[in-house]
Amino acid sequence: AQTVTQSQPEMSVQEAETVTLSCTYDTSENNYYLFWYKQPPSRQMILVIRQEAYKQQNATENRFSVNFQKAAKSFSLKISDSQLGDTAMYFCAFLVSNYQLIWGAGTKLIIKP
Amino acid sequence: GAGVSQSPSNKVTEKGKDVELRCDPISGHTALYWYRQRLGQGLEFLIYFQGNSAPDKSGLPSDRFSAERTGESVSTLTIQRTQQEDSAVYLCASSLLQGANSPLHFGNGTRLTVT
Repeated sequence: AQTVTQSQPEMSVQEAETVTLSCTYDTSENNYYLFWYKQPPSRQMILVIRQEAYKQQNATENRFSVNFQKAAKSFSLKISDSQLGDTAMYFCAFLVSNYQLIWGAGTKLIIKP
Repeated sequence: GAGVSQSPSNKVTEKGKDVELRCDPISGHTALYWYRQRLGQGLEFLIYFQGNSAPDKSGLPSDRFSAERTGESVSTLTIQRTQQEDSAVYLCASSLLQGANSPLHFGNGTRLTVT
């Protein structure tokens, strides 16, 4: 079975600090895609960042970056200079087919002023 | 332009009643997905529509659940004889095409509470 595991149910940091959210996954596939989504209280899922497994370079989007370790099947999200607006649930997801995503249980991130 | 729109935003119903949830995808998006999100959990895939192809219904949890989509427009998710375990947020997403290069756009979901 293909699974995604987020081991941190909740994290909190002070504004402007750096925080890392962990994600591990299990698959026998060699080519796949990994995603981090953010879900604020509005409930709308918003794509934060995407990583293609065949690319060794870690993806970066402004303050958001990933540490992709393919051999370890690890895909962590680093948020630099955290802001109050980063407070949300963060979900790691893994694309197992052309369209079907497998989701982790989420990490609740609280940024404290 | 307009995003994915879902209605109602919240729905409270009595056990045993039928409910219908609506999703209006972004115009031109051929792919449409329904997910269920139970409290404190990630998303569970329910059903996927792609253009005029037969939908992938493999995620529907029971025959009480059904969904329809008219062409490439609105979709409705129907839950018959609702049970308390159906209480969850139901999220709809659409994408221009299928595949990782076509990002999903989500609606704000419908929070269903079965009493």
